[in-house]
Amino acid sequence: NAGVMQNPRHLVRRRGQEARLRCSPMKGHSHVYWYRQLPEEGLKFMVYLQKENIIDESGMPKERFSAEFPKEGPSILRIQQVVRGDSAAYFCASSPPLGSGHTFGSGTRLTVV
Amino acid sequence: AQTVTQSQPEMSVQEAETVTLSCTYDTSESDYYLFWYKQPPSRQMILVIRQEAYKQQNATENRFSVNFQKAAKSFSLKISDSQLGDAAMYFCAYRFLYNQGGKLIFGQGTELSVKP
Repeated sequence: NAGVMQNPRHLVRRRGQEARLRCSPMKGHSHVYWYRQLPEEGLKFMVYLQKENIIDESGMPKERFSAEFPKEGPSILRIQQVVRGDSAAYFCASSPPLGSGHTFGSGTRLTVV
Repeated sequence: AQTVTQSQPEMSVQEAETVTLSCTYDTSESDYYLFWYKQPPSRQMILVIRQEAYKQQNATENRFSVNFQKAAKSFSLKISDSQLGDAAMYFCAYRFLYNQGGKLIFGQGTELSVKP
């Protein structure tokens, strides 16, 4: 039973490029969450999705960031026109309905050069 | 809005000794969950222990236990018989369920070092 799978593990992008981060939740988990961790800080919530629906995007920056969780396939966090300040570790987590905890992926470390 | 505060950026403990990490939170909800996560240098987030707010009994997982004071909104983690492998960042987190799910709100973290 594979855990939460995130890829890539590391991603380097030049300023102005697009970054796409992928997350496959655990089998049986229909709720996906994205968090961002800046250096020397805790994790900050970004967005909460269920299949084909965004439930809570209160932590998403208003511009350049978007997320989706299609009926088929992984959840995608997309960052357009990346800037240096987007450099961070991005974590995906999943949970079953009414589950009390999250299972986290290993994260994607995005570096913008 | 819910907030979580960890007032100890760094803590240190001697191997085999006991250490307590502090966490306070603010919420107007009566039913919620509290967690402690461990993040070693590998960056993986590992669940250490969880507490349901409606349970008065403090959660325990082997060498890890919590002191949950609901009225005071306090949730401290006690690590007994500390081991070198316990060295990591520890994050306290709060979760309120909505839409059958619910985001985690994290504290700033406490970096624990273990001295041999």
